[in-house]
Amino acid sequence: EAQVTQNPRYLITVTGKKLTVTCSQNMNHEYMSWYRQDPGLGLRQIYYSMNVEVTDKGDVPEGYKVSRKEKRNFPLILESPSPNQTSLYSCASSFRGSGANYGYTFGSGTRLTVV
Amino acid sequence: RKEVEQDPGPFNVPEGATVAFNCTYSNSASQSFFWYRQDCRKEPKLLMSVYSSGNEDGRFTAQLNRASQYISLLIRDSKLSDSATYLCVVNRGSTLGRLYFGRGTQLTVWP
Repeated sequence: EAQVTQNPRYLITVTGKKLTVTCSQNMNHEYMSWYRQDPGLGLRQIYYSMNVEVTDKGDVPEGYKVSRKEKRNFPLILESPSPNQTSLYSCASSFRGSGANYGYTFGSGTRLTVV
Repeated sequence: RKEVEQDPGPFNVPEGATVAFNCTYSNSASQSFFWYRQDCRKEPKLLMSVYSSGNEDGRFTAQLNRASQYISLLIRDSKLSDSATYLCVVNRGSTLGRLYFGRGTQLTVWP
């Protein structure tokens, strides 16, 4: 089944403890992206990647790191999480198509709480 | 000014009604446009892309007005299952790298 898989689905952690949220897609998509979704603010892009070893900042990159060493994986790293990073995180992927009309497929989300 | 603005609603309509959502975007360089739907506590799912000539998919019709920089979504013959939040999404440039999401319009269809 074609899908974007995120792990874990739920995570509660303490301030300052490094964590990684994994994202994997099995559709051979070039594009991958991370978003956070907060009430009243909607989805905001954290980082995106257009291919292996090609990443760039989105709207809210501070406090996050990413890497794209393989096409299928795009992990999100929080080196020193803080309570303001409590949010719902979504990973998404897409083909690179002419006209860019394919849209993204989203994973089921990771609900992170930092205490 | 926000990149993408939507009326947050909520829109409450009876089954069978026709409902329209509008969305405006601020960057004239934007090239791709989408409507997503998001059910409560679920991930966003692509509903349809929006083409310059307008496009239709069953009961759903999307329109793009580049001159006025707005996008619309029309839902005809609303079903209970159409209840969801509808997200307007715009990308800047010719790639899907930078996507901007509106905050969503909430729709509730009642029997």
